[in-house]
Amino acid sequence: QKEVEQDPGPLSVPEGAIVSLNCTYSNSAFQYFMWYRQYSRKGPELLMYTYSSGNKEDGRFTAQVDKSSKYISLFIRDSQPSDSATYLCAMSQGNTGFQKLVFGTGTRLLVSP
Amino acid sequence: DVKVTQSSRYLVKRTGEKVFLECVQDMDHENMFWYRQDPGLGLRLIYFSYDVKMKEKGDIPEGYSVSREKKERFSLILESASTNQTSMYLCASSLVSGVVETQYFGPGTRLLVL
Repeated sequence: QKEVEQDPGPLSVPEGAIVSLNCTYSNSAFQYFMWYRQYSRKGPELLMYTYSSGNKEDGRFTAQVDKSSKYISLFIRDSQPSDSATYLCAMSQGNTGFQKLVFGTGTRLLVSP
Repeated sequence: DVKVTQSSRYLVKRTGEKVFLECVQDMDHENMFWYRQDPGLGLRLIYFSYDVKMKEKGDIPEGYSVSREKKERFSLILESASTNQTSMYLCASSLVSGVVETQYFGPGTRLLVL
């Protein structure tokens, strides 16, 4: 079993839809949760990060962590064609010193005009 | 803005060739990383370095080596390229901020080994 599971998609939605992207994980020691966005033929870029459980909002994006269920989500409101990309979740234990990031395989999102 | 650059966007090499992938970051970051990204497998850590001349194996170091002679530069070396090393290679750097480590990625190098 992989430490982090993510549905590869593709997830196809019309412009303006609310998008929900999810990851599950098995390691209860994970404390920091991140979402990266990767456009085609580019490197991933950090979108948001959250610590422990709860929600964090940034514009049209909301990251949600449920540690009791080992489940994290990224919501995109009013989705735009420019949101079409692969979204990778990543997480770490957050101890001092070097923290290895464990990535999901990514979900490909397609937003059609 | 943090900038991580990789020497090549695309490379085609033959089996058995020695391959050098170069990565440079301009933000004085302590940590640097090499990943490979394959469909269905996601990002897998090959090697990382937390200081000049220091290196640590990641999850899949076999067939690779690294060099970090200067803080801003981290090189990945394929001693004898094989077809199963055809992949997207991503370099990243990070500066630990408190206990959150944000990794910044380069644009990637697509390597094809024939």
